[in-house]
Amino acid sequence: GQNIDQPTEMTATEGAIVQINCTYQTSGFNGLFWYQQHAGEAPTFLSYNVLDGLEEKGRFSSFLSRSKGYSYLLLKELQMKDSASYLCAVKDTDKLIFGTGTRLQVFP
Amino acid sequence: GAVVSQHPSWVICKSGTSVKIECRSLDFQATTMFWYRQFPKQSLMLMATSNEGSKATYEQGVEKDKFLINHASLTLSTLTVTSAHPEDSSFYICSARGLAGLTDTQYFGPGTRLTVL
Repeated sequence: GQNIDQPTEMTATEGAIVQINCTYQTSGFNGLFWYQQHAGEAPTFLSYNVLDGLEEKGRFSSFLSRSKGYSYLLLKELQMKDSASYLCAVKDTDKLIFGTGTRLQVFP
Repeated sequence: GAVVSQHPSWVICKSGTSVKIECRSLDFQATTMFWYRQFPKQSLMLMATSNEGSKATYEQGVEKDKFLINHASLTLSTLTVTSAHPEDSSFYICSARGLAGLTDTQYFGPGTRLTVL
């Protein structure tokens, strides 16, 4: 079956670093996406990994290990506006399979 | 670039009526569009995949006669919820994928909140 796991909730302090983990077991794999979603809004694209390793984009980095079925999203220099849900999604053939999402709360 | 719009952004309707939601890719041609449903505090669940000019492919458990999808052009897909009932109340989100110059990424519309009374 298809299974994508993320922690349900996380909290962090403004200015800190937080790592959100995602583990997956899917029948196929054509890449892994991270999206940010604020309450009541649509997801916005953050990053895409298809090969092992780290992809860095400003304050956000994403890591992938295909052999371990594992990815993480690293957020640096946290800001209050980073409070949102972060969705891990695996591309299986033609479609995205989403994890349950991690709600991140950033405190001053 | 890669902007996707949805209309309406929210709709309230009476039980038994039908509601049409439009999804448009504004600055690129979307060969494939996807329709998702999201219940409160839950993740996105794929309902169906539509390719321009062909019939949609529905996920298991999604009634194709209740959720009609039409992908008439490379920039427009519509989802019609027929004979809506209160349990159909949800956040419906479309995404579009095309040759937008980036990786094989889906770009999401702003979503439509449907409330069925």
